[in-house]
Amino acid sequence: DIVMTQSPDSLAVSLGERATINCKSSQSVLYSSNNKNSLAWYQQKPGQPPKLLIYWASTRESGVPDRFSGSGSGTDFTLTITSLKAEDVAVYFCQQYYNTPYTFGQGTKLEIK
Amino acid sequence: QVQLVQSGAEVKKPGSSMVVSCKASGGTFSSFVISWMRQAPGQGLEWMGGIIPLLGRANYAQKFQGRVTITTDESTSTAYMELRSMRSEDTAVYYCATAATGGWYFDYWGQGTLVTVSS
Repeated sequence: DIVMTQSPDSLAVSLGERATINCKSSQSVLYSSNNKNSLAWYQQKPGQPPKLLIYWASTRESGVPDRFSGSGSGTDFTLTITSLKAEDVAVYFCQQYYNTPYTFGQGTKLEIK
Repeated sequence: QVQLVQSGAEVKKPGSSMVVSCKASGGTFSSFVISWMRQAPGQGLEWMGGIIPLLGRANYAQKFQGRVTITTDESTSTAYMELRSMRSEDTAVYYCATAATGGWYFDYWGQGTLVTVSS
């Protein structure tokens, strides 16, 4: 199984500042056939299901604010949230869909400093 | 807009079975690819398996092979996940979700079903 490891486990950032969350996969999730990375990011607020933010490592889901961006390739990925808002407080997960079983990172809890 | 509505919370005894349902609306059910995930209290997400209704074929995570069955009923646009021989470690919120066309990332999610396994 591909192991997804996120860092840090928790993060406190001031309103208006930038938050950066990292995700590392135990093997490359780059599809050679389409040269795309099979990596997604989700946001989960308490009592709610996860919400898709980013897929193919850097494509923003429709309706997701452009202060959310994804980058990286191969085994190392980053979710960046610029100009942090109070509503961004949540747990963030990465997920690989390169092969089964599809696996998630352990989550990063984002709070306001 | 796709909506997934799951069945309600359950309490199960160890050794018993459960079935969680997931009713879809707002799209063509046969074109959906539906997966089931679970999340133990305070923990991360775990993919259990998925099904392509058009093909009627399911695949499962090795961890759950032999204990889980995912099916669909196209007439009611509903997916089902049965988990057998339940144990306390199966206490979790169970989610259904649709996988997007072209990739197994999950764009629409059910509200979740809390299943508690306790004697």
